[in-house]
Amino acid sequence: DADVTQTPRNRITKTGKRIMLECSQTKGHDRMYWYRQDPGLGLRLIYYSFDVKDINKGEISDGYSVSRQAQAKFSLSLESAIPNQTALYFCATRGLAGGKDTQYFGPGTRLTVL
Amino acid sequence: GNSVTQMEGPVTLSEEAFLTINCTYTATGYPSLFWYVQYPGEGLQLLLKATKADDKGSNKGFEATYRKETTSFHLEKGSVQVSDSAVYFCALSNSGGSNYKLTFGKGTLLTVNP
Repeated sequence: DADVTQTPRNRITKTGKRIMLECSQTKGHDRMYWYRQDPGLGLRLIYYSFDVKDINKGEISDGYSVSRQAQAKFSLSLESAIPNQTALYFCATRGLAGGKDTQYFGPGTRLTVL
Repeated sequence: GNSVTQMEGPVTLSEEAFLTINCTYTATGYPSLFWYVQYPGEGLQLLLKATKADDKGSNKGFEATYRKETTSFHLEKGSVQVSDSAVYFCALSNSGGSNYKLTFGKGTLLTVNP
């Protein structure tokens, strides 16, 4: 089973709709992240959380909100989706692997806003 | 602030060719440096990393050396395979602790032809 899962994997929605993207992890990591990927722009950090009570804005948080419901769950919401939020969204966790600090990525959610 | 600049793609090579993908960075302090790979339809996977100057990260035939004097972390492979076709991201993080965040380059698409 995957360590970091995201649902849905694909979503098409309309402008103005509220959308929630969910992320779950079985790594037991405290740190979780949401990124968006756009062609030619790489990955940009939207929000990150260091524990259930600690939520921080990333470089492009406008138009997004997050909720850390539990250590294992970190959801991203678009309160009123707009077309320029069409992107591939990745959730990630951070922790140790073989003694090395490593970030683990989910498979991504492809969101299209019409 | 931190930034990562990597060579623009796409890069197209024949099987067994030599690969170099350039990456330079700007950062305060002593960042850790990473290369991530994204295969078609998948999330990002850590390919290799280096945490201090002159360290060499290596994995699956890929190598990159942390060069503080030139602020570079170029990715190399002596003989690429078709299965290496993917998008490659250079990234850096600050030195860790509670402020850990990854900053990504824009990605370089590599296509290897038989």
